[in-house]
Amino acid sequence: NAGVTQTPKFQVLKTGQSMTLQCAQDMNHEYMSWYRQDPGMGLRLIHYSVGAGITDQGEVPNGYNVSRSTTEDFPLRLLSAAPSQTSVYFCASSQSSGGASYNEQFFGPGTRLTVL
Amino acid sequence: AQKVTQAQTEISVVEKEDVTLDCVYETRDTTYYLFWYKQPPSGELVFLIRRNSFDEQNEISGRYSWNFQKSTSSFNFTITASQVVDSAVYFCALSEAWNTDKLIFGTGTRLQVFP
Repeated sequence: NAGVTQTPKFQVLKTGQSMTLQCAQDMNHEYMSWYRQDPGMGLRLIHYSVGAGITDQGEVPNGYNVSRSTTEDFPLRLLSAAPSQTSVYFCASSQSSGGASYNEQFFGPGTRLTVL
Repeated sequence: AQKVTQAQTEISVVEKEDVTLDCVYETRDTTYYLFWYKQPPSGELVFLIRRNSFDEQNEISGRYSWNFQKSTSSFNFTITASQVVDSAVYFCALSEAWNTDKLIFGTGTRLQVFP
């Protein structure tokens, strides 16, 4: 198992450019999510998905779009990048959402994005 | 609303010292999970421990130990006999028991262990 993979590892954009951060998992996990990590802010949830075709907003969704057409993939789209989106982005997945039992989240290695 | 506070932004110690990282949380839920993650300089997130709200037993794993106290809403992490390899940013996190996938993270504590 490759676990959770993210591409690219690094990316530099100019203000106004668009791009897609890729996230894939090979564990057949239902739940996938995107977090951003900023200095002094910890990690904050951007968007999440509880299964193919279902997505919802997290704490900081503005400026980002997501879709979940397959169980394996959960891309994060920046339609018009802004310097405020300079951050490290982590994708995570887990077996399922909710329920009384704990489902460990597996994190990808992160994508470091700089918007000039 | 849920919140996790890690008041210590940065801690510096000399190797072999013991160090405690503080974590205070807020939640209205009676059932929840608490976590600690380590982020070494390489940047990945490493899961260290989870604890559910019904289990207040302290846990020890090698040089690591965790003290969970519901009375003070704290889940502190102690490293005994610190080593240079312990240098990292440590995050405490909280989730609802019925939605364990949505983690609320603290702002992290950067630990620097000097030889």
